[in-house]
Amino acid sequence: DTEVTQTPKHLVMGMTNKKSLKCEQHMGHRAMYWYKQKAKKPPELMFVYSYEKLSINESVPSRFSPECPNSSLLNLHLHALQPEDSALYLCASSQGSGTVTDTQYFGPGTRLTVL
Amino acid sequence: AQTVTQSQPEMSVQEAETVTLSCTYDTSESDYYLFWYKQPPSRQMILVIRQEAYKQQNATENRFSVNFQKAAKSFSLKISDSQLGDAAMYFCAYGDYKYIFGTGTRLKVLA
Repeated sequence: DTEVTQTPKHLVMGMTNKKSLKCEQHMGHRAMYWYKQKAKKPPELMFVYSYEKLSINESVPSRFSPECPNSSLLNLHLHALQPEDSALYLCASSQGSGTVTDTQYFGPGTRLTVL
Repeated sequence: AQTVTQSQPEMSVQEAETVTLSCTYDTSESDYYLFWYKQPPSRQMILVIRQEAYKQQNATENRFSVNFQKAAKSFSLKISDSQLGDAAMYFCAYGDYKYIFGTGTRLKVLA
């Protein structure tokens, strides 16, 4: 089973709202990733968690706040977003310590619209 | 810094025919991995095939195969017997400590 699930599928929020994106995997993977993808562009890495610790932060604005409560769950907390943050947010997981020698398996994404 | 280039923004292929998508990359590393991912309109990124740089043998997965030329830093994807379900955006990705994606090639399959 190579399933990564993400909720919600779609999210519309105002610039003053606080919301969270959720990602879950039950493959025993120890590395989890958040990507942002704009239309017709490749995914851009935001954060990497390895063994539940933040190992890579690609200089993402503080209005995005990741959280990894356990090895199966990854959240992305959103606050005071801008319209340009509207995008597809993809979660991925891989087996090992976050080295890219591990194949990453992606979830279906959350389509976020910021009004 | 590592880079990945996909020079074909869009390709078309007739159903049942063969198509090759190009990818070149630049790196000074000797140990790395290369991937092709497919992203259909459903948006989910699906792994198509993976190649370890230290392996000389080209990877194959059913109708999908790669032509890996390490010295030329080239990693093309060949899709044989194309099917309507192959229509998608295809991303080439280079990986050492993180993924670097190419800009993608949109593949259309004509019935």
